[in-house]
Amino acid sequence: GENVEQHPSTLSVQEGDSAVIKCTYSDSASNYFPWYKQELGKRPQLIIDIRSNVGEKKDQRIAVTLNKTAKHFSLHITETQPEDSAVYFCAASKARNSNSGYALNFGKGTSLLVTP
Amino acid sequence: GAVVSQHPSRVICKSGTSVKIECRSLDFQATTMFWYRQFPKQSLMLMATSNEGSKATYEQGVEKDKFLINHASLTLSTLTVTSAHPEDSSFYICSATSQGYGYTFGSGTRLTVV
Repeated sequence: GENVEQHPSTLSVQEGDSAVIKCTYSDSASNYFPWYKQELGKRPQLIIDIRSNVGEKKDQRIAVTLNKTAKHFSLHITETQPEDSAVYFCAASKARNSNSGYALNFGKGTSLLVTP
Repeated sequence: GAVVSQHPSRVICKSGTSVKIECRSLDFQATTMFWYRQFPKQSLMLMATSNEGSKATYEQGVEKDKFLINHASLTLSTLTVTSAHPEDSSFYICSATSQGYGYTFGSGTRLTVV
């Protein structure tokens, strides 16, 4: 099955700096790669996603890059703010159009702390 | 947008009893429901996948007789933890999918077994 590795497990940055979280996946058939932000006791919140036919996607301060050949994808957060502090999970799936019965396989998570 | 309502949000039960968790898709038909378990400071681990009207497919290591999943309709899926033990204490969360709606998560259930 799919194995998603995520690094680092913890990340501390100063407000205004950038944060980068990296993930690798094992199944070359995976084609959908979302990133989630989860606050304590809450459901994961989708912050950005990318499909395998795209190499990069950006949404304001958040960007995701995908290298299909190397099977890795990264989350980039620029101009970090204290409210960005949370646990971030990457995931991979074989889903087409974000569904089709294939589960999301999650990385182990990165606890991001943004200090003022 | 798509909404999945999950209940209860918190439950405390005694060892040996059973607990039922419900997930309802409010504005779309969920063809597939995934059930995850999340221990403190850990990732979401897939427990099982269920398609409406079919038996659930359980991940390796998850006891199907202990974690009963029912997905009898396109808007309701339930997870019943039977004969609960303290080690079953965890955060349980469902995720529904359907064509065009992506993955929609429920709000999660914090189960504490005493």
